[in-house]
Amino acid sequence: DAGITQSPRHKVTETGTPVTLRCHQTENHRYMYWYRQDPGHGLRLIHYSYGVKDTDKGEVSDGYSVSRSKTEDFLLTLESATSSQTSVYFCAISAPTRGDLNEQFFGPGTRLTVL
Amino acid sequence: QKEVEQNSGPLSVPEGAIASLNCTYSDRGSQSFFWYRQYSGKSPELIMSIYSNGDKEDGRFTAQLNKASQYVSLLIRDSQPSDSATYLCAVRGVSGTYKYIFGTGTRLKVLA
Repeated sequence: DAGITQSPRHKVTETGTPVTLRCHQTENHRYMYWYRQDPGHGLRLIHYSYGVKDTDKGEVSDGYSVSRSKTEDFLLTLESATSSQTSVYFCAISAPTRGDLNEQFFGPGTRLTVL
Repeated sequence: QKEVEQNSGPLSVPEGAIASLNCTYSDRGSQSFFWYRQYSGKSPELIMSIYSNGDKEDGRFTAQLNKASQYVSLLIRDSQPSDSATYLCAVRGVSGTYKYIFGTGTRLKVLA
């Protein structure tokens, strides 16, 4: 257990509404990530953060923004949700384990449905 | 060409057999390689990490890395029905890069 929680765990919303997903970690890891997982596409990186206020885009960042004002929290915002953003969203952290080997651990996920 | 490729399966093996899962990657500078197990409706769980050429064993799992041929494999010995899941291969890029690229996963079915 890497001490990662996500909230909410399930959400149903309507097209055009803003949605914020929260990821919280308890172990002060520097790197945090947001992925979405869809059938046939696997896990795709949306955004990641390498420190407070330091973020960068992943491969599917359009329509998403992130913020990290504290080490322990990484927020993912859908400014105006669309049906194509219906997905399962996973937060992850990267933790140094042995030498330069940084392993990634995942939170429990948030299932988002946009109607 | 996808950066990390896996056969989607399903790969069906009888209980007690060896399951062999394969993954190829395109970035020759990749440094670290990971196998995750994901049960339906759950999050990915890290089961093996490897960064040196050769084999790494942990219980019933063996990860094999061949950087020259750009593939990494996972062997599961004495497969059990509880091993039935989707196995994701992930690759981390060159040193200093903290992005991980995932394959789409191989679904394994262990038949009792």
